[in-house]
Amino acid sequence: GENVEQHPSTLSVQEGDSAVIKCTYSDSASNYFPWYKQELGKRPQLIIDIRSNVGEKKDQRIAVTLNKTAKHFSLHITETQPEDSAVYFCAASLPMNYGGSQGNLIFGKGTKLSVKP
Amino acid sequence: GAVVSQHPSWVICKSGTSVKIECRSLDFQATTMFWYRQFPKQSLMLMATSNEGSKATYEQGVEKDKFLINHASLTLSTLTVTSAHPEDSSFYICSASRTGPSSYNSPLHFGNGTRLTVT
Repeated sequence: GENVEQHPSTLSVQEGDSAVIKCTYSDSASNYFPWYKQELGKRPQLIIDIRSNVGEKKDQRIAVTLNKTAKHFSLHITETQPEDSAVYFCAASLPMNYGGSQGNLIFGKGTKLSVKP
Repeated sequence: GAVVSQHPSWVICKSGTSVKIECRSLDFQATTMFWYRQFPKQSLMLMATSNEGSKATYEQGVEKDKFLINHASLTLSTLTVTSAHPEDSSFYICSASRTGPSSYNSPLHFGNGTRLTVT
């Protein structure tokens, strides 16, 4: 089955700096790679996602890159702010057989990001 | 947009009792829903895949007789923790994505989660 590795487990940056979180996956058939932000006691919130037919996607200060050959994908946050502090999870998903919607997500272990003012 | 509703948001129960958690897709049909468990400071671990009209598929190490899943309609899946023990205390989260002809590229949507405490 799919296995997702995520690094680092903790990351501390100064406000305004960039933060990069990296993930690798094992199953080359995985085709969907979302990133979630989870604040304490709350559900994960999707912040950005990328599909296997795209190499990079950007949404304001957040970007994700995907290298299918190497089977790794990364989250990039620029101009970090204290409110970016949270736990970030990457995930990988194999395609569902019916309807094209996503199958179950396999999550990385998470990265606790702390942005110091 | 798509919304997944999960109830209750928190529950405290005594050891040995059973607890039922509901997961509803409010404005879309979901043939498949997923149940995750998250222990403090840990990642989300997939417990089982809930399939409408058929038996759930459980991940290795998850007891199907302890965690009963019923997916009776295209909008509702329930997880029942039977004979709960303190070690079952955790954050349980369901998720679902739209299924059907218009579902391509539909992301997974999470419920708000249920914090279970077994005393």
